[in-house]
This record gives sequence, structure tokens and C-alpha cells, in this order.
Amino acid sequence: KAGVTQTPRYLIKTRGQQVTLSCSPISGHRSVSWYQQTPGQGLQFLFEYFSETQRNKGNFPGRFSGRQFSNSRSEMNVSTLELGDSALYLCASSVRDGNTEAFFGQGTRLTVV
Amino acid sequence: QKEVEQNSGPLSVPEGAIASLNCTYSDRGSQSFFWYRQYSGKSPELIMSIYSNGDKEDGRFTAQLNKASQYVSLLIRDSQPSDSATYLCAVNQDAGGTSYGKLTFGQGTILTVHP
Repeated sequence: KAGVTQTPRYLIKTRGQQVTLSCSPISGHRSVSWYQQTPGQGLQFLFEYFSETQRNKGNFPGRFSGRQFSNSRSEMNVSTLELGDSALYLCASSVRDGNTEAFFGQGTRLTVV
Repeated sequence: QKEVEQNSGPLSVPEGAIASLNCTYSDRGSQSFFWYRQYSGKSPELIMSIYSNGDKEDGRFTAQLNKASQYVSLLIRDSQPSDSATYLCAVNQDAGGTSYGKLTFGQGTILTVHP
């Protein structure tokens, strides 16, 4: 069974630009969550989608948004990039929700210059 | 108080020893508990999940949960150099179903197993 796939693996963007990251969950998994990981803050929850609906959102500004498609694939978008957005962005999929095991993709390393 | 706290480490143990990793959480309503291993430059890998009080064993790993004390631990028996990584404790609070998909992570404990 294929794991969680995130694309691209690496990105370098300039301040003020926007970026879109993609996540394909494990087949049969309907819940997709996104996390930001930085050395200072650790792993921080961004949002969760299930059946194309955002069910939960973390404490991030509105520049961070996401969506989920009917095939459970998900995208997250960051607009007006800031230097502080440089991080590893991780997507996790689970069968249903946080009470079930979540499996992470390899992540997208975003560098904002 | 942080929502999920782990022993700060780093933790260094000799090969073959037992490594003990600890985690406390603040929300008494928490329902699900997970341990992830993260190698440097890689993404977190799920190694254990535990939902009920007591012990759960999987190979060399044992997770222990005590909801009354709001404490979860991970024991690694016969530690190997390949176990050297950061171990992350994650908790799903599931307060009435409003914490969908949200795992709250500790800061992680760096484990080094030396030959």
C-alpha cells in the first residue's frame, strides 16, 4: 500500500509570493491534517479536512488555507509569504480522525528568502 | 503549562540498555496517545499507539498509559544505535469530537544509543 505522498519535496520562494503544497493520502484514508514543523515551535497543527470539509483549524493567520478534493487529496496554500514561514510542512492521513493512527508524508521543505 | 511535555533530554544510553521516554499531558479528556520517531531530516514515523490504561507491547517497544496521572511513557528494550532519533509524544484531546485530526505534540526527546 502506498504511503502519504507530498509534493514538491523542496521549495524556495521569495517574500510576498504564494505557494501551494499537495498531499495524497493513503488509499482509503479520508482525513488529512497539515502541520508546520520548525526548530523553535516544534510540530504545530494547521488544519484538518474530512470529506472535503475543514473540521478543525489551528492558530495560524488567514494566509494559511487549504482544501480537500473528492478523492481525499488535499492542498494547502500560503499567501504573502514571510521569512517566518520557512519550515517543514507535513501532511498526515488517517482513516477517520485524530483518534485513529495518523501517518505522515515525507514533508515539503519550504524556504522563504 | 504546556499541553504536552516530554522529558527534555537529550537521553544517552548504551547499546542493549532500556531507554525510557516520558510524557505528561494537561487535558484530562485526552483519548488517544501516540509515539512517533523522527530521524534527522525525515518525517515522523508512527511507532506506537495506545488508548487504554496499562501497557501495550510491540516488539522491543512498550507504551504505558496512566490516565489518572496523565502520563504516558515509551520503553525501548535492547536499544540499538539505529534507535537514535527524536521521539515525539502526541496526544489527541477529542473534547467532544471538536479536536478532529488535531494531534498536540511534545517538543520531543533526542535519544542517542552509543555502541
